[in-house]
Amino acid sequence: DAKTTQPPSMDCAEGRAANLPCNHSTISGNEYVYWYRQIHSQGPQYIIHGLKNNETNEMASLIITEDRKSSTLILPHATLRDTAVYYCIVRVAVETSGSRLTFGEGTQLTVNP
Amino acid sequence: NAGVMQNPRHLVRRRGQEARLRCSPMKGHSHVYWYRQLPEEGLKFMVYLQKENIIDESGMPKERFSAEFPKEGPSILRIQQVVRGDSAAYFCASSPPGLALSTDTQYFGPGTRLTVL
Repeated sequence: DAKTTQPPSMDCAEGRAANLPCNHSTISGNEYVYWYRQIHSQGPQYIIHGLKNNETNEMASLIITEDRKSSTLILPHATLRDTAVYYCIVRVAVETSGSRLTFGEGTQLTVNP
Repeated sequence: NAGVMQNPRHLVRRRGQEARLRCSPMKGHSHVYWYRQLPEEGLKFMVYLQKENIIDESGMPKERFSAEFPKEGPSILRIQQVVRGDSAAYFCASSPPGLALSTDTQYFGPGTRLTVL
């Protein structure tokens, strides 16, 4: 799986948008970008994933650049409960069975009141 | 639809004892993954199982660790003769069967925190 690079920490004011960047310059054409978060040692929580098109769900938006070498996770209105470590994971698409998730260091997002 | 369930949530063992961690996947899910998070470290993949089969155990320590996912019942991660270095949070994830990766999103349980005295 391709290696990802994320800033170690970010701050965001409550109610503002949080934009979390991720670089994955060696991504291959059959690799998806996944985002998870881990709130204070709880189990990781799935947020969103995409291949090349931008994606949006009830939690967040995922913007993937046209060359797919980087992406941004957007939390449109951050709350204190969004304080967590956010992991960007690039994962190969396997047709016949699942595959592991390789977690990096992630970004510690702190939402401030 | 209940999420992934793990028990016990906290487990204390003395050195040399056995630890058994259980994971019940989400309803309809037939793939189970185990991950370990050592104190102050990231999550590391251990093993991937489908019903009655170990698909990928490349992340499992060579000794003392084993995993199973029987036809009936939860998946079990078993650690024999625990040592202090086994103290960690162990997370289980499950995903549904299917050929398309988009259906293969892994959903995690709350974890079991193992403390070895």
